[in-house]
Amino acid sequence: AQSVSQHNHHVILSEAASLELGCNYSYGGTVNLFWYVQYPGQHLQLLLKYFSGDPLVKGIKGFEAEFIKSKFSFNLRKPSVQWSDTAEYFCAATTGLSLGGYNKLIFGAGTRLAVHP
Amino acid sequence: NAGVTQTPKFRVLKTGQSMTLLCAQDMNHEYMYWYRQDPGMGLRLIHYSVGEGTTAKGEVPDGYNVSRLKKQNFLLGLESAAPSQTSVYFCASRPRDRERPNYGYTFGSGTRLTVV
Repeated sequence: AQSVSQHNHHVILSEAASLELGCNYSYGGTVNLFWYVQYPGQHLQLLLKYFSGDPLVKGIKGFEAEFIKSKFSFNLRKPSVQWSDTAEYFCAATTGLSLGGYNKLIFGAGTRLAVHP
Repeated sequence: NAGVTQTPKFRVLKTGQSMTLLCAQDMNHEYMYWYRQDPGMGLRLIHYSVGEGTTAKGEVPDGYNVSRLKKQNFLLGLESAAPSQTSVYFCASRPRDRERPNYGYTFGSGTRLTVV
């Protein structure tokens, strides 16, 4: 069964530190990958997505992610975090159109990021 | 504003009570989904719908029922609430793939349900 794994459940950083959150998926076919962010008390917002093309994807708020097919990974990065990046981050994956359009989004367990001033 | 609207935002139920959560979207999306979010478990798919009048089970469907009588609405029902159903429930929608193949999901703001 398709699954998404996030390596770190909690990450604590100081402002200006670099961030990398790990994400691995288990599916051998065409896959679409997403990173969502959930700020405290809010709903999920899309940070970035990968469907095809350049494996280095740039998203909003200075985030980027790199799709490495050979490693089944889609890690999220940011060179310098800010206090306002404190949130929970979810990696998610959905297969392509091979399921007849029944395109379910599978989430990882999430990573809680706390950034200290 | 266009988007996904969930009602209610908060609810406390007693064990055994029933209730219905409403999700409404005004983007003419074909697909709609109900997720529950629990600490350390991410979002898990309860039920989903690929069009008006059709529904299907997700990862954790037990104890829930859904209906999609109108394209814009997706209802999630709890017939007999249990404390294990205490969670935050999110609805999401998206258009059919061939219309906007690179278009992502739109999430509602969530319903926080407590069953005591």
